[in-house]
Amino acid sequence: EVQLVESGGGLVQPGGSLRLSCAASGFTFSNYDMHWVRQTAGKGLEWVSVIGANGVTHYGDSVKGRFTVSRENAKNSLFLQMNSLGVGDTAVYFCARVRRDGYKGTDDYWGQGTLVTVSS
Amino acid sequence: DIQMTQSPSTLSASVGDRVTITCRASQSVSVWLAWFQQKPGKAPKLLIYKASDLVSGVPSRFSGSGSGTEFTLTITSLQTDDSATYYCQQYDRFPTFGQGTKLEIK
Repeated sequence: EVQLVESGGGLVQPGGSLRLSCAASGFTFSNYDMHWVRQTAGKGLEWVSVIGANGVTHYGDSVKGRFTVSRENAKNSLFLQMNSLGVGDTAVYFCARVRRDGYKGTDDYWGQGTLVTVSS
Repeated sequence: DIQMTQSPSTLSASVGDRVTITCRASQSVSVWLAWFQQKPGKAPKLLIYKASDLVSGVPSRFSGSGSGTEFTLTITSLQTDDSATYYCQQYDRFPTFGQGTKLEIK
C-alpha cells in the first residue's frame, strides 16, 4: 500500500525557516517524481515544487529562491526546506507522488498534509 | 500560468441525481486534465486523469470528458458519500488547480 506521511509543520515567525519531511513507503520511491502542493482557504490548491526521479527540480513563482526541494532515495524521504517565510506561506503542505503518462504527470497519491503557520 | 476556472462554485443535489461540473482552461491543455475529490480534513483523491480515464477503484458513476480548454466531470446516480469538494487540475504545464466546486447532498 502506497503511503506518504508528512511531518515538520508548526508555528514559525515571519522571516523564519522550517524543513518539512515526507516519508514514503509501499512503492519504489526512487522511480517517481514527487510534488509538494499547498492548500489555503483563500487561494485553494497551489503547486509548490517538483523533484524528478532524476533529481531535477522546479518551483512555483511564489516560492522560487526561498524554498528548496530535495530527496534521499536511500531513506525513501522527500524534503522541503522553506526559508524567509511570510504570512502568505501559511498553508497545509502535502507531498504527492506523480503518476506519469510520458512527459506529463498528475498526483495519484497524497499524504495527509502538515500545517505550517507563519505568525508573530 | 494556465488559469483554471470551475463552475459552479457550489452545487446542491439529491441522492440519485446526475450532476455536471465544468472546468475551463485559459489556454489549451490538450487532454492533460485531472479531477480530484476532497473531503474535509483529508487529502485530495485522484478520480480521473487524462481527461477521461477513471482511476482503478473509483465508481463508474464518475466520468470525465473534454479536451483543449473545456472539460466536464459528471456524476450519475449521486450518493451521500459523494458530498465533497471537487477540483480540476491541468498538468500540461506545471500544475494549476481550479478553485473547487463544493457539492452538497440535499
